[in-house]
Amino acid sequence: KQEVTQIPAALSVPEGENLVLNCSFTDSAIYNLQWFRQDPGKGLTSLLLIQSSQREQTSGRLNASLDKSSGRSTLYIAASQPGDSATYLCAVRSGTASKLTFGTGTRLQVTL
Amino acid sequence: EAGVAQSPRYKIIEKRQSVAFWCNPISGHATLYWYQQILGQGPKLLIQFQNNGVVDDSQLPKDRFSAERLKGVDSTLKIQPAKLEDSAVYLCASRRLTRNTGELFFGEGSRLTVL
Repeated sequence: KQEVTQIPAALSVPEGENLVLNCSFTDSAIYNLQWFRQDPGKGLTSLLLIQSSQREQTSGRLNASLDKSSGRSTLYIAASQPGDSATYLCAVRSGTASKLTFGTGTRLQVTL
Repeated sequence: EAGVAQSPRYKIIEKRQSVAFWCNPISGHATLYWYQQILGQGPKLLIQFQNNGVVDDSQLPKDRFSAERLKGVDSTLKIQPAKLEDSAVYLCASRRLTRNTGELFFGEGSRLTVL
């Protein structure tokens, strides 16, 4: 059974700092990994999708990496802004049923 | 293109009452999902449809939850009777490709409070 863990559970950084969010998964036989952002009271917004054959994906100030063999992914946010404050969730697609398993998220606060 | 539409956004009911949530996926998306997200947790899959067929409903509490996608487009999730522990956000998501590699898109969610 796939299990996804995100560390830290919460993070507070001053504006302008670069930061890294971590995601680990127990079953390395995955199809892809997707990072989402969730604002309070809102649905999930897709940030980056990394296929199992890829090592990283970039979008603006965001860079996500994937090390399938070690069961890890990181989301790097450069030059953080207060608008980046949200909960960040990673989700892994795996298994014969192609199920998407979510982590519990990292709650990020970027302060002025 | 329009995103995943869900309604209602908020619903408050008393325990043992019934409730229904509606989802209209992105046009052309064959795969539709219902997730339950309890406060402070990641979303948990309730049911997955591909067109109008059920692919996975292993975590759906079938004694009280039901879902349908009769014409392979929009879908309804029903809870009857509701329990206190059903208080959560119910998220609908859709995916274009029927292969395993497609990107998932979510709606805004329907927040249920059971009193």
